[in-house]
Amino acid sequence: DIQMTQSPSSLSASVGDRVTITCRASQGISNYLAWYQQKPGKVPKLLIYAASTLQSGVPPRFSGSGSGTDFTLTITSLQPEDVATYYCQTYHIATWTFGQGTKVEIK
Amino acid sequence: QVQLVESGGGVVQPGRSLRLSCAASGFSFSNYGMHWVRQAPGKGLEWVAVISNDGRIKKYADFMRGRFTISRDDSKNTLYLQMNSLGTEDTAVYYCAKEANWAEPFDYWGQGTLVTVSS
Repeated sequence: DIQMTQSPSSLSASVGDRVTITCRASQGISNYLAWYQQKPGKVPKLLIYAASTLQSGVPPRFSGSGSGTDFTLTITSLQPEDVATYYCQTYHIATWTFGQGTKVEIK
Repeated sequence: QVQLVESGGGVVQPGRSLRLSCAASGFSFSNYGMHWVRQAPGKGLEWVAVISNDGRIKKYADFMRGRFTISRDDSKNTLYLQMNSLGTEDTAVYYCAKEANWAEPFDYWGQGTLVTVSS
């Protein structure tokens, strides 16, 4: 099975900061990588798919990159409404596995 | 608009069974693969199972150990998860989720239904 490892597990940053979350797959997954945002008490929301394609309606301060085994989610200017836990997910060859999540807080 | 509404959760004793339902609306249900994802209290997301649009392909997470069965009734636009031999480790919010396309990410999620396994 493919394992997905995110880092860090949590972070605290100031409003306006650039935030980067990484996700590493245990084997190559091409670009079959999605990112979800789950705000406290809410349902997960798809942010990015195919590693770098922004889902409709997602603010452009969110971006994704990577291919193979190493991926990043970047928030270019952190906003208070971005407080959430972010999950990566692979959907490579009909296998769906989530990372353990990264909790983002405002300093 | 797309709506997914789960039901069937509750408190159940260890070893017992429970069937969850997910009523879908606002899209052509029979055209899409559907998933169950769970989240234990304070924990991360864990993929549970998938069923293809035609019901022919079913896949499960390894931890299922044959205890869970996913199914669908396209005439009722409803997804199901039959859970048997429940253990305390199965306590979680169970979400149904719709695929954007087969083997792609989940573009819509239900609000979830809480399953609590406790004696």
